[in-house]
Amino acid sequence: GESVGLHLPTLSVQEGDNSIINCAYSNSASDYFIWYKQESGKGPQFIIDIRSNMDKRQGQRVTVLLNKTVKHLSLQIAATQPGDSAVYFCAEIDQTGANNLFFGTGTRLTVIP
Amino acid sequence: EAGVTQFPSHSVIEKGQTVTLRCDPISGHDNLYWYRRVMGKEIKFLLHFVKESKQDESGMPNNRFLAERTGGTYSTLKVQPAELEDSGVYFCASSQIRHFGYTFGSGTRLTVV
Repeated sequence: GESVGLHLPTLSVQEGDNSIINCAYSNSASDYFIWYKQESGKGPQFIIDIRSNMDKRQGQRVTVLLNKTVKHLSLQIAATQPGDSAVYFCAEIDQTGANNLFFGTGTRLTVIP
Repeated sequence: EAGVTQFPSHSVIEKGQTVTLRCDPISGHDNLYWYRRVMGKEIKFLLHFVKESKQDESGMPNNRFLAERTGGTYSTLKVQPAELEDSGVYFCASSQIRHFGYTFGSGTRLTVV
């Protein structure tokens, strides 16, 4: 099956610094990628997505970068705030195939005030 | 717009007992998905309904798990008999378009003792 993995299970950053969360995937057929944020007691919440025909997409304080050559995805959070503390999951899907959404293990981001 | 609702939020049962989890998707969403996160691991796909039909149940662990979606509205996931390894957080998600625009519920934390 497909594998979506994260390089680091935990990440601690100082408030105001930028955060970078990385993700590797193995299915070269995946054409749609999503980053989710999960806070304690809540379900995964959509942050930002990117299609495989793009290599960068920006949102409010977040940027997703996609490197299809090395099958790598990253989420950059600018000026990290305490409210950003959560577990972040990347997910991939091959929308043209019969697959469903596949998630990575998750990275716990802790923002130090 | 009401989100995806799951009941109960927590359930603690003894090994061998039966538990039924419920998911109410967003009204009008034909696609309903069940996922599970076992402690410290990735969120794994269980199955996907389109209306009342099971589109893909390839992620169901074994025949102790039974999912239904009678009438194409809410869905139930029954575990019978529960085993210790069934402990985890069970998430439900729904979407209007297949494999796009998922909205997740807050999950049901199941603990089997």
